[in-house]
Amino acid sequence: DIVMTQSPDSLAVSLGERATINCKSSQSVLYNSNNKDYLAWYQQKPGQPPKLLISWASTRESGVPDRFSGSGSGTDFALTISSLQAEDVAVYYCQQYHSTPFTFGPGTKVDIK
Amino acid sequence: QVQLQESGPGLVKPSETLSLTCTVSGGSLWSYYWSWIRQPPGKGLEWIGYIFYSGSTNYNPSLRSRVTISVDTSKNQFSLKLSSVTAADTAVYYCARSPRGGVGFDYWGQGPLVTVSS
Repeated sequence: DIVMTQSPDSLAVSLGERATINCKSSQSVLYNSNNKDYLAWYQQKPGQPPKLLISWASTRESGVPDRFSGSGSGTDFALTISSLQAEDVAVYYCQQYHSTPFTFGPGTKVDIK
Repeated sequence: QVQLQESGPGLVKPSETLSLTCTVSGGSLWSYYWSWIRQPPGKGLEWIGYIFYSGSTNYNPSLRSRVTISVDTSKNQFSLKLSSVTAADTAVYYCARSPRGGVGFDYWGQGPLVTVSS
């Protein structure tokens, strides 16, 4: 299984400031055949299902604000919220879909400082 | 707009079989992978397995011996059966869609809490 880890476990950021979440996979999730990283980011608010924010490590889903961006390749990835808004308070998960079993990171809780 | 809705008992007795159905509306099952994912209260997400619209399946090895996922294309539904449940299987159970070729899980159901208790 590919093990996903995230850091930090939680972070508190002032409104308008930048928040960065890191995600690491135990093996590469890059497919050389198409040069794509099979890595997604989700946002989960209390009592709601996860919402897909970013796929292919850096492609924002339709309707996702451009303050959310994904970066990285291979085994090291990051999700950045460039200017934190109140509605961004949530738990964020990374997930690999390179190989089964699909696995998620443990989550990072983002709060307002 | 695609919508997924889980249905089934919210309480299951230990050693019995948990059964849930996901009804897909606003779209077809065709050409997508349909997964079950669970989340114990206050914890992270665990992928249980998927079924392709054609009926082929792939299960998480950690649950493979107890899981069956099936599809009914005539009803636009797919189902989960998890046998021999224990308290450790108490979780919110989500159904979710992933397109062929990747991008992760783009549509999710709301997810009912299923409690295993006598």
